[in-house]
Amino acid sequence: EVQLVESGGVVVQPGGSLRLSCAASGFTFDDYAMHWVRQAPGKGLEWVSGISWNSGSIGYADSVKGRFTISRDNAKNSLYLQMNSLRAEDTALYYCAKGRAVLGGPWEAFDIWGQGTMVTVSS
Amino acid sequence: QSALTQPASVSGSPGQSITISCTGTSSDVGSYNYVSWFQQHPGKAPKLMIYEVTNRPSGVSNRFSGSKSGNTASLTISGLQAEDEADYYCSSYTTSSTWVFGGGTKLTVL
Repeated sequence: EVQLVESGGVVVQPGGSLRLSCAASGFTFDDYAMHWVRQAPGKGLEWVSGISWNSGSIGYADSVKGRFTISRDNAKNSLYLQMNSLRAEDTALYYCAKGRAVLGGPWEAFDIWGQGTMVTVSS
Repeated sequence: QSALTQPASVSGSPGQSITISCTGTSSDVGSYNYVSWFQQHPGKAPKLMIYEVTNRPSGVSNRFSGSKSGNTASLTISGLQAEDEADYYCSSYTTSSTWVFGGGTKLTVL
């Protein structure tokens, strides 16, 4: 079964840092682009960042550029999001999502999603 | 990176058809056929319903269909069923090599 399991979400103070992880199973992880998408409580979806299968192409939303860093460890079937200088507006459920096509580009749709991990930025 | 524009809500009776629009710009919807639609039930993760404007993933009902004209994409659900009641989001790849989502549309089945 294809599965994505996020972890690392906690309550953190403004200005703090946090590292989210996403463990993948049931598919050949290093063949697919991966993304982080977030959803603030009661709000819509917002794409945060994406990384190609070989880490050669990385993109960020303007709202997190310079503060967040996406990475992956294909040997561990894992995706990460390092979050620094956190702000109240970063409070959200963070989903990891898989790109649809084998060795596809960053334009591939998100076909598998995890259940999310909650990040709360509050003093 | 402005969000794509979707109606806040739509409704329809069982058996009817509804269409949800998604309006972007020449920098996103109008530039590529990389438009997706997602269904999200309360407390659940989003589910991919349509990709590349018109394509349905395996397992998605053929009652769901997508189209695009210029800067506006559309999702049509025919033969509405109670289980279709959910939030629907469109998304598009952009010329900045990022993704942008719509604000979401709440579908109510009357």
